[in-house]
Amino acid sequence: DAGITQSPRHKVTETGTPVTLRCHQTENHRYMYWYRQDPGHGLRLIHYSYGVKDTDKGEVSDGYSVSRSKTEDFLLTLESATSSQTSVYFCAISSGLAGTGELFFGEGSRLTVL
Amino acid sequence: GESVGLHLPTLSVQEGDNSIINCAYSNSASDYFIWYKQESGKGPQFIIDIRSNMDKRQGQRVTVLLNKTVKHLSLQIAATQPGDSAVYFCAEKGTARGSYIPTFGRGTSLIVHP
Repeated sequence: DAGITQSPRHKVTETGTPVTLRCHQTENHRYMYWYRQDPGHGLRLIHYSYGVKDTDKGEVSDGYSVSRSKTEDFLLTLESATSSQTSVYFCAISSGLAGTGELFFGEGSRLTVL
Repeated sequence: GESVGLHLPTLSVQEGDNSIINCAYSNSASDYFIWYKQESGKGPQFIIDIRSNMDKRQGQRVTVLLNKTVKHLSLQIAATQPGDSAVYFCAEKGTARGSYIPTFGRGTSLIVHP
């Protein structure tokens, strides 16, 4: 199994509070991604990173920010959580962006915003 | 196939039968396709991939077929087992600049009855 750890695995928070989810990898892969998964929508990309301090937006980036200060860590921050951000969040890594290359996923972080 | 609305398409089969899960993709620039399996409470796991210069690829008990003319992908599982029960996602990805990020379908739920 790819060495990906997400934390926390479960979190319940209140509307308006900040939340940070952490993704840690031990594979030294260059590319890291944050997806959210909701019923009827499948996996949707929030942000991705193609190197330290290099990030870009995905299709559902509003309300989210990311940071990557080290190769192994990719943080997803909700500055002020809303109920619409209740979801399961998955981190993924890959060794290649261009060309072929599968994504390896973490186990997910379930966030509930009350 | 791809879901419409909130509910995933569901395929129910008997143990030992063959299963066929379908996926339609939309991007003509996509030239790399991946099937993932997601068990309840876990992250998606890679099953098999195929490049656009192929129309068939076989793995252990699984076969992926690609029809680029109609932009259709299918996953065939031979001798389906209860452990195959999961949600299956197809993903499309390009190898040309601007199409690197994988896009996921909404998934199909496979239920295997003993």
